[in-house]
Amino acid sequence: DTEVTQTPKHLVMGMTNKKSLKCEQHMGHRAMYWYKQKAKKPPELMFVYSYEKLSINESVPSRFSPECPNSSLLNLHLHALQPEDSALYLCASSQEGQQNTGELFFGEGSRLTVL
Amino acid sequence: GENVEQHPSTLSVQEGDSAVIKCTYSDSASNYFPWYKQELGKRPQLIIDIRSNVGEKKDQRIAVTLNKTAKHFSLHITETQPEDSAVYFCAAGNDYKLSFGAGTTVTVRA
Repeated sequence: DTEVTQTPKHLVMGMTNKKSLKCEQHMGHRAMYWYKQKAKKPPELMFVYSYEKLSINESVPSRFSPECPNSSLLNLHLHALQPEDSALYLCASSQEGQQNTGELFFGEGSRLTVL
Repeated sequence: GENVEQHPSTLSVQEGDSAVIKCTYSDSASNYFPWYKQELGKRPQLIIDIRSNVGEKKDQRIAVTLNKTAKHFSLHITETQPEDSAVYFCAAGNDYKLSFGAGTTVTVRA
């Protein structure tokens, strides 16, 4: 299994809602990532978990809250989002740090619309 | 932090011709340089990568070159085919942090 699975594929939420995005991989990878991608733009790193510990937070607003319950799962909790947060949220995983082990595997993404 | 510039932003080539995309980076500490292909509505997928101790790498029709002194790296696609049409992103970084270029939309004309 070389897949990163994300749910839901599409999510529409109001600015007062609380929702979560979920990501799962069964490749034994120990690093997991959240990226945000706006239309016609490159992916932007948000968070990195290494061995289930948050290792990088790219100054992301607190309305985005990541969680790594175990080595296979990664969640992104969403609360009080703004319309400008509408984007494709990509989860990714790698065996360890990319310097050592290379390829970043991306999921298909969760397309979020904030009304 | 790392800043990656990518050129051109769009590239149209005749089927069978070559395509070249160039990137420059700013952080001399970067030592990993992957290229991702993203088709419309799909996930980015790694097509080739190179590390700082290597100057060139080739995989069938795709090659990447790296000049660490000048801080630039390039993607070369030979004998282009319609299925090569996509957005291509270069990236630079190390360990867990990658910075992506703005992307190049490649269109292969039949």
